[in-house]
Amino acid sequence: DGGITQSPKYLFRKEGQNVTLSCEQNLNHDAMYWYRQDPGQGLRLIYYSQIVNDFQKGDIAEGYSVSREKKESFPLTVTSAQKNPTAFYLCASIAGDRPTNYGYTFGSGTRLTVV
Amino acid sequence: DQQVKQNSPSLSVQEGRISILNCDYTNSMFDYFLWYKKYPAEGPTFLISISSIKDKNEDGRFTVFLNKSAKHLSLHIVPSQPGDSAVYFCAVGGRGSQGNLIFGKGTKLSVKP
Repeated sequence: DGGITQSPKYLFRKEGQNVTLSCEQNLNHDAMYWYRQDPGQGLRLIYYSQIVNDFQKGDIAEGYSVSREKKESFPLTVTSAQKNPTAFYLCASIAGDRPTNYGYTFGSGTRLTVV
Repeated sequence: DQQVKQNSPSLSVQEGRISILNCDYTNSMFDYFLWYKKYPAEGPTFLISISSIKDKNEDGRFTVFLNKSAKHLSLHIVPSQPGDSAVYFCAVGGRGSQGNLIFGKGTKLSVKP
């Protein structure tokens, strides 16, 4: 079955550490996105990539980095510069370079907790 | 400033009755409007959408209404079922969003048996 796989489902990070969240899709989608969900805040865009080897900052990119070396993969690194990283992280993808009426396909998310 | 507003953080309805979830947006350039449903610790799933050329779209128990002059959309669920209990996000996209979807903060729907 085609879909988006995020791993791990739960991740614990110590203060000052960088961690990388994995996002892989086998839908042959062109564009991929990272969102962050906090309670009462909805979904906020961190980074997006509409094509391999290219990505753009979203609304809350500070403290995060991404790469898009392969069409199927869009990993997100949460760096020590991110002051409040505890959140639920969602990866999404679409065919084409921008959403239409069909919107995104989302992964099942990664819960990151700073300990 | 929020471009997409869901002013009701929560909504509680009785099973079998109608659920109405509302969403307001600020930019008349948006071309399409979507509703997503999300259970805890899961990714959102696409529910229904409508483009700016229509004012109503229906899919089974779910109907989305778009009022462009008021910059308002709503999702009607009839009849509501306990399995509909989830957080519902509205999202908008198109020329007014640089090619991305902009999400509201969500409304938590509870359908009581």
